[in-house]
Amino acid sequence: QKEVEQNSGPLSVPEGAIASLNCTYSDRGSQSFFWYRQYSGKSPELIMFIYSNGDKEDGRFTAQLNKASQYVSLLIRDSQPSDSATYLCADTGFQKLVFGTGTRLLVSP
Amino acid sequence: NAGVTQTPKFQVLKTGQSMTLQCAQDMNHNSMYWYRQDPGMGLRLIYYSASEGTTDKGEVPNGYNVSRLNKREFSLRLESAAPSQTSVYFCASRDREREGCFGPGTRLTVT
Repeated sequence: QKEVEQNSGPLSVPEGAIASLNCTYSDRGSQSFFWYRQYSGKSPELIMFIYSNGDKEDGRFTAQLNKASQYVSLLIRDSQPSDSATYLCADTGFQKLVFGTGTRLLVSP
Repeated sequence: NAGVTQTPKFQVLKTGQSMTLQCAQDMNHNSMYWYRQDPGMGLRLIYYSASEGTTDKGEVPNGYNVSRLNKREFSLRLESAAPSQTSVYFCASRDREREGCFGPGTRLTVT
């Protein structure tokens, strides 16, 4: 059974700082992951997809996948109060889409 | 492009009643999913359909059934609702690699 683990937080950072969110996974064969952002009372929205080892950058977001250590991370540069949300990591797997419980991020002005 | 749509948005049921949650996507995605989300529990997979004509159980399938009616539509049925099924239900779809979209959710209360 695939498992994805995330620290529930909250992770508190000041405005303008770098927020670092992490996710570990159990399936050594996993190769690709989604990062979603979910605001309170809303549905998750996709912010990043990462497939291979290394980094992928999109604007202020950088996703990192380390297959040897079985972790995925998301860095948010120049964090803004509007980034305050829960961030969910998902193992895209073979057919399933398995989520961690999410990390709550709070960005203070 | 409407993305993923779900109906209804809200529903209140009495214990023992049945209902069907509807989901449709217009992105030509092969895979569709039903999740429930409870406070502190994250998204738990109920059922999924990797392609038209196939369905499989997820982590928490008991008390639910699904139908993949065609490539666009994937419905979730509660045959005899229980208070433990009070939750927010999300439908999602994805293609093989890069897109994974959620519907707006259905807030279900079972009294």
